[in-house]
Amino acid sequence: RKEVEQDPGPFNVPEGATVAFNCTYSNSASQSFFWYRQDCRKEPKLLMSVYSSGNEDGRFTAQLNRASQYISLLIRDSKLSDSATYLCVVKSIKAAGNKLTFGGGTRVLVKP
Amino acid sequence: NAGVMQNPRHLVRRRGQEARLRCSPMKGHSHVYWYRQLPEEGLKFMVYLQKENIIDESGMPKERFSAEFPKEGPSILRIQQVVRGDSAAYFCASSPQGGLEDTQYFGPGTRLTVL
Repeated sequence: RKEVEQDPGPFNVPEGATVAFNCTYSNSASQSFFWYRQDCRKEPKLLMSVYSSGNEDGRFTAQLNRASQYISLLIRDSKLSDSATYLCVVKSIKAAGNKLTFGGGTRVLVKP
Repeated sequence: NAGVMQNPRHLVRRRGQEARLRCSPMKGHSHVYWYRQLPEEGLKFMVYLQKENIIDESGMPKERFSAEFPKEGPSILRIQQVVRGDSAAYFCASSPQGGLEDTQYFGPGTRLTVL
């Protein structure tokens, strides 16, 4: 089983609609959680950290459910520019540093 | 304030040649991480380095791959005797410290193609 799993999609979303997707993680020792965004053939960019109480950044809302070990991302009022691959990222306390563990990504396509 | 820099951006090698990928972290960052992204896959951790030290190389293939981060100059990921399966995007990230809450900032990547 992969340490971080995501639905690869694609999620085809009409412009202006809301889309939500989840990510599950298997390591209960995971401590920090992030959503990154990756545009085609470019580097990942941090979208937002995910906090235990849930957090919002503009049209983006992230939730964390430690009991069920999943993270969610919701995008409201989708824009064409939201089309990208969204990467769920987990960081765990390790004796030897803090590597990021990436999910395979969820592809979102926003269409007019 | 320049971001993480990687060069070359594109590298073509024939099977059996050596590939050298360079990464200059953001100013003030002393922690460097290398990740590999195979076509149609997610990023996979390879190695974590601080100046002159390899901290975690648990993601590095056992053979042909090595990494360094010297006291002066960029971090280098070296792949000897490349094979077609090494074709991938190699991303470097840097952070100011190695803490749990540290954000890693990614460079634009080097796309390696092995012919």
